[in-house]
Order: sequence, then C-alpha cells, then structure tokens
Amino acid sequence: AQSVTQLDSQVPVFEEAPVELRCNYSSSVSVYLFWYVQYPNQGLQLLLKYLSGSTLVKGINGFEAEFNKSQTSFHLRKPSVHISDTAEYFCAVSEPGGSYIPTFGRGTSLIVHP
Amino acid sequence: KAGVTQTPRYLIKTRGQQVTLSCSPISGHRSVSWYQQTPGQGLQFLFEYFSETQRNKGNFPGRFSGRQFSNSRSEMNVSTLELGDSALYLCASSLGTGTFTGELFFGEGSRLTVL
Repeated sequence: AQSVTQLDSQVPVFEEAPVELRCNYSSSVSVYLFWYVQYPNQGLQLLLKYLSGSTLVKGINGFEAEFNKSQTSFHLRKPSVHISDTAEYFCAVSEPGGSYIPTFGRGTSLIVHP
Repeated sequence: KAGVTQTPRYLIKTRGQQVTLSCSPISGHRSVSWYQQTPGQGLQFLFEYFSETQRNKGNFPGRFSGRQFSNSRSEMNVSTLELGDSALYLCASSLGTGTFTGELFFGEGSRLTVL
C-alpha cells in the first residue's frame, strides 16, 4: 500500500521569505502526485498536480513543485509567501491503473508571520 | 459550475445517537468519496461510491455506512456515535472514470461534535 510522508508537521516562516514543504512517497511504480491546500473551516482545494511530462509543475497562487523519481519526492515551493498563504497543505499520491483512490499525507501547517 | 455541497455544515450529537450527512457532487461527476479528518489521524478514507455502488472501502467499522442515489448525490451514516467520531467529514467528487487521475474536488465539510 502507498504511504505519503510529509516531513514537517509545522513550518513557520516570515512574510516574503521563501518556503519549501517536503513530501516523500513510498511507491516505486508510476504515480500521480497532488498538493492540496486547506484554509481554516474549508475543504481542500487543488494547488497543483503532476501526471506526466515536465518534472517542474506550476500551480495556483505562485506555488510550484518538483517531481523527483529517484528520491520519490514531490516538494512544494514558493519563492515569497504572503500572510494569506497560512493554511494546511496536504500531499497526495494515486496509482494509475489502480483504484485511483489517493493516499494523503498527514499535512503541514504553514504559518506565515508578519 | 456549482461546487460540491455538503449539509449540514455543523452538528452536535450525543453518544449513542446516529447521524446522516449529505453530499451533492459537481454536475457530471459520478464518483463520491468520503473522508474523516481529525487532528490526530489526518485524512482517512472512508469509502467511495460510483454509479450507486460502493467501489472502494477504507478501514472503518460497520457503524460507518453510505449510499449513492441515481443523481449521484450521496449520504453517509454513522450509527451508535462515539466520542472519537468527532471530526470533520469531507466529501469529494470526481469523474471516476475515463481520464480520471485521482484528482478530487472537495466540499467544505460537515463538522460533527459528539458529546
């Protein structure tokens, strides 16, 4: 079974600083990868996804992620964060040809300080 | 295009009661998945329905059940509520077939508090 590890449960950062949220997954087979964001008292919203092709994926709100097959990682980055980026971020993976039910990581709480 | 709608948004129940939560998916989506979100366990998959049939199931006891109607709307039911059932219950819809990749579209959730 797939597993997803988000290495940091909480990441504090100052406004306008860069940030990286780390995600590793267990599968060695072909995968689809996702990052979702959850603002307080809301559901999850897709930030970006990797299905195939270029390993650098750009998403909404200035976020991007890089797929590294050899390290089975899909880290999320933003060069300059805003207060409004304060939220919970979830990494997820699904397997093509399987049930497609994604497995989610435990989440990383990004806290942006002024 | 309307998003995923979950009702009710908030509810309070007492131990031993049962609860029914409702989810209306995005128009055209035939798959509905349910997740339980708690601070300690994160997002845990409950079950997925596709064309009125349960297609996938997570590791939850039989007290948790669901169904899907012909218009793709779904309900989940929790019987004999326990304190540990307090959580945010998220519904997510998707195409579920064809070009489906696992990308999900989430509702805002139903926050259940069990006293």
